[in-house]
Amino acid sequence: AQKITQTQPGMFVQEKEAVTLDCTYDTSDPSYGLFWYKQPSSGEMIFLIYQGSYDQQNATEGRYSLNFQKARKSANLVISASQLGDSAMYFCAMREGGGSARQLTFGSGTQLTVLP
Amino acid sequence: GAVVSQHPSWVICKSGTSVKIECRSLDFQATTMFWYRQFPKQSLMLMATSNEGSKATYEQGVEKDKFLINHASLTLSTLTVTSAHPEDSSFYICSANGGRDSNQPQHFGDGTRLSIL
Repeated sequence: AQKITQTQPGMFVQEKEAVTLDCTYDTSDPSYGLFWYKQPSSGEMIFLIYQGSYDQQNATEGRYSLNFQKARKSANLVISASQLGDSAMYFCAMREGGGSARQLTFGSGTQLTVLP
Repeated sequence: GAVVSQHPSWVICKSGTSVKIECRSLDFQATTMFWYRQFPKQSLMLMATSNEGSKATYEQGVEKDKFLINHASLTLSTLTVTSAHPEDSSFYICSANGGRDSNQPQHFGDGTRLSIL
């Protein structure tokens, strides 16, 4: 079974509007972390936001927020006030277990295109 | 913030050549580094986990004799693609953990585009 599922291969959003990128996950480990990365066409992976399984509040980082619904095992990324520079591939990832030495498992990604 | 440097950015070489890719953590020590491979329009696939001072742990289906990994210091891991062939052409990207806490993200190098002619 897929551990990270991103069901939107591609998304379009008008500049200045908000957009939600979906991510669901599957794990039996009570301790896990969820990450979102942005990958522009140049290829580098840019860390956006983190949510821990024990965090009580949804994570926010500037225009990025994570809608964490633990019971539904979803961790959707919300980008507010979209900008043209937000056009990129977005990956949801999970790290199971405590500590930082564990690997990340990535979803298949969502290609976001911001329209002027 | 934590910075990971990957070199070279791109390589074009003839079939049969061995290619070495370096991954360095510039301002922190990384006991564990990760090597990923990415095909166009696809996700990152973990190839192996590089452990400082010990053998790398390879994912199922990854040939360890083909993709040699050396993690000789706390700041450097290398991936050598031995006797590369056109099917090895891909985007290779490394990462390292930015700290011990579970909320620390992996920091990625800028990747290496490998093209085998």
